[in-house]
Amino acid sequence: GAVVSQHPSWVICKSGTSVKIECRSLDFQATTMFWYRQFPKQSLMLMATSNEGSKATYEQGVEKDKFLINHASLTLSTLTVTSAHPEDSSFYICSAEGKREAFTDTQYFGPGTRLTVL
Amino acid sequence: RKEVEQDPGPFNVPEGATVAFNCTYSNSASQSFFWYRQDCRKEPKLLMSVYSSGNEDGRFTAQLNRASQYISLLIRDSKLSDSATYLCVVILNTGGFKTIFGAGTRLFVKA
Repeated sequence: GAVVSQHPSWVICKSGTSVKIECRSLDFQATTMFWYRQFPKQSLMLMATSNEGSKATYEQGVEKDKFLINHASLTLSTLTVTSAHPEDSSFYICSAEGKREAFTDTQYFGPGTRLTVL
Repeated sequence: RKEVEQDPGPFNVPEGATVAFNCTYSNSASQSFFWYRQDCRKEPKLLMSVYSSGNEDGRFTAQLNRASQYISLLIRDSKLSDSATYLCVVILNTGGFKTIFGAGTRLFVKA
């Protein structure tokens, strides 16, 4: 099956620093990648949709200048949390949209990155 | 072996049918279990939690078998609106918490 990796799996940083999270599709090309955030005991919340070679589409309420997304290739998307603050502490998950023959697109989820901002 | 495995489907069923999904997990440190529903190009949404005692919510019933390390979701009287992908989610507690998503099972309910 399709594999999506994320790096790092967890990160602890000081308030005010920037953190970059990588999402890679390891064995397939992903034209679209999605970034989600999950706070404790809540469901995943879509932050943005990223298409290779174009600007990301952000969901309402998500600051595009704070959460920078770059989708430079068909196998890599990065999310940079700029000037992170404690309220940004969360679980960030990416997914990559691959193609299955005969079916509509399917998202494959990465393992997530747990960010803790002190 | 994947930590969480699901039959990718798709399951094609007529309206009114009963359909069951299974999910197996490999890590005995698995602590919490959930079923998520995901509509096409939307974020997954929590459908229900899964307990050893079983959990029922209307037409949906979830079961957990810790001895066999599998989780099930039963949908009775399927509706067209049930068509979606159903994700099995497991939270591991290995010193820290880790969430593992299954790849999902696709369901098509047809009139």
